[in-house]
Amino acid sequence: KQEVTQIPAALSVPEGENLVLNCSFTDSAIYNLQWFRQDPGKGLTSLLLIQSSQREQTSGRLNASLDKSSGRSTLYIAASQPGDSATYLCAARGGYQKVTFGIGTKLQVIP
Amino acid sequence: ETGVTQTPRHLVMGMTNKKSLKCEQHLGHNAMYWYKQSAKKPLELMFVYNFKEQTENNSVPSRFSPECPNSSHLFLHLHTLQPEDSALYLCASSHQDGEQFFGPGTRLTVL
Repeated sequence: KQEVTQIPAALSVPEGENLVLNCSFTDSAIYNLQWFRQDPGKGLTSLLLIQSSQREQTSGRLNASLDKSSGRSTLYIAASQPGDSATYLCAARGGYQKVTFGIGTKLQVIP
Repeated sequence: ETGVTQTPRHLVMGMTNKKSLKCEQHLGHNAMYWYKQSAKKPLELMFVYNFKEQTENNSVPSRFSPECPNSSHLFLHLHTLQPEDSALYLCASSHQDGEQFFGPGTRLTVL
């Protein structure tokens, strides 16, 4: 059974800092890994999708990497802004469209 | 309407009521999902439909009954729920094993 862990559970940083969020998964047989952000009481917004054959994906100030062999993915946020404050979730997709989420990292960027 | 929509956004029901949640996607996807999000727990995948066929039922109690009449619409029928079923219910859609897009969710409270 796939298990997804996100560390740290919460993170508070000053504006402008670069930061890394971690996601680990126990079963390396995944099709892809997706990163999301969730604002309080809202749905999830897709940030980046990395296919199992890819090593990284970039979108603006965000860069996500994937190392299947070690069961890890990282989300790098450059030059953080107060608007980046949210909960960040990662989800690993396995066979039969089974998707397993981590509990998330709650990020606060302080102006 | 664009993306994934969900109605109602908020629902309060008693344990003896019957209600339905509705999800509609305007993205041309063939797979649709129901998730449950409870406080301090990861998102739990409940049901997956692919081309209107259910491909995943994650040991969900029978008081939750999904329906997918076509690839654009997904319903979750609720009956005789328990207070512990109070949660945010999220719908998502994707191409086969591709990037998931989420709706804003229905906040359900069971009294």
